Amino acid sequence: EAQVTQNPRYLITVTGKKLTVTCSQNMNHEYMSWYRQDPGLGLRQIYYSMNVEVTDKGDVPEGYKVSRKEKRNFPLILESPSPNQTSLYFCASSTGTGSFQPQHFGDGTRLSIL
Amino acid sequence: DQQVKQNSPSLSVQEGRISILNCDYTNSMFDYFLWYKKYPAEGPTFLISISSIKDKNEDGRFTVFLNKSAKHLSLHIVPSQPGDSAVYFCAATGGTYKYIFGTGTRLKVLA
Repeated sequence: EAQVTQNPRYLITVTGKKLTVTCSQNMNHEYMSWYRQDPGLGLRQIYYSMNVEVTDKGDVPEGYKVSRKEKRNFPLILESPSPNQTSLYFCASSTGTGSFQPQHFGDGTRLSIL
Repeated sequence: DQQVKQNSPSLSVQEGRISILNCDYTNSMFDYFLWYKKYPAEGPTFLISISSIKDKNEDGRFTVFLNKSAKHLSLHIVPSQPGDSAVYFCAATGGTYKYIFGTGTRLKVLA
């Protein structure tokens, strides 16, 4: 089954404790992206990657890091999480790099930073 | 500055009637627009899209209209069904790989 898998689905942690949210897709997609969803703000793009070793900033990259060492994986790293990073996070992927390719989303990771 | 706006946070429609969801944008460089549907506890799923070279795209009960001069697009669902109750996001992109999403409209279809 074609899917984007995020782990963990839920996490409660404390300020400053480094964490990584993993994202894996089994569709051999070139494009992957991370979003956060906040009430009243919709979905905002954090980082995206056009292929292995190629990443770029979205609209809200501050406080986040990403890496793309393999095509299927695109982890999101919070080196020193803060309460304003409490949010619902989505990973997405799409085939090719054309802007007209619809993205497939994972089911989300709810992070709470205390 | 919100480049993509969905000014109606919520909308209620009777089953069988038309649902119209609206989206406005400010960046004239956007050349592709997409609609996603999101159920609770799930990720968004792609619904329909439209290129800026078109003014209408249809897929079954779903039609998207684009008015470039007004920088406005709308999603029409006819007939609306209770299973259409969800949050709908419009998104735009413009030749880069960045996507800008609206804030979403919660549609409730009443049986």
